[in-house]
Amino acid sequence: AQSVTQPDIHITVSEGASLELRCNYSYGATPYLFWYVQSPGQGLQLLLKYFSGDTLVQGIKGFEAEFKRSQSSFNLRKPSVHWSDAAEYFCAVAPIYNQGGKLIFGQGTELSVKP
Amino acid sequence: DTGVSQNPRHKITKRGQNVTFRCDPISEHNRLYWYRQTLGQGPEFLTYFQNEAQLEKSRLLSDRFSAERPKGSFSTLEIQRTEQGDSAMYLCASRSPTVLSTDTQYFGPGTRLTVL
Repeated sequence: AQSVTQPDIHITVSEGASLELRCNYSYGATPYLFWYVQSPGQGLQLLLKYFSGDTLVQGIKGFEAEFKRSQSSFNLRKPSVHWSDAAEYFCAVAPIYNQGGKLIFGQGTELSVKP
Repeated sequence: DTGVSQNPRHKITKRGQNVTFRCDPISEHNRLYWYRQTLGQGPEFLTYFQNEAQLEKSRLLSDRFSAERPKGSFSTLEIQRTEQGDSAMYLCASRSPTVLSTDTQYFGPGTRLTVL
């Protein structure tokens, strides 16, 4: 079955530490890949996206993600976390066969940042 | 660019009542999407419009749900005879008028529905 998996429901890191959020997908062909962030009371904001080319993608707020086809993964990273990064992070895919562009989301990873 | 807006932000209703939510997309965005997000889960696709045409509906969209976009601008999502299981955040997103699935969907803040 087609799915997006974020194995970590909740992660806590210290401010200034590095961060990696995991995302795995299961599709017949490589879909388009996205990471969104959701802060309380806010809508989802796009951090970055991948659809082709360089497998290391740079996004906003100092985030980057690396696409690994062999592992069907699209993990999100940040070298140094700030307290304002505390939020919920969602990995999403858009199947390339679906011209409507609907997004299929993982269940999310909640990030807490310790001072 | 004023962003995607949704009203109301919060709605509390009693089981069996009808509710209607409104979404105003970014102007000139011809694609509009509705998603539902329950506690602890990621958003789930419900339906989408291209201009005024509703082109895809999820199996999640039961007969009690109806969505419209009469003039290709704002959209409404109505839930009839609400049930407690309908309690969720309803998110709207819009996208610019291209055919690329890679284009960014911009999300509104959502309408949180609580059914008592």
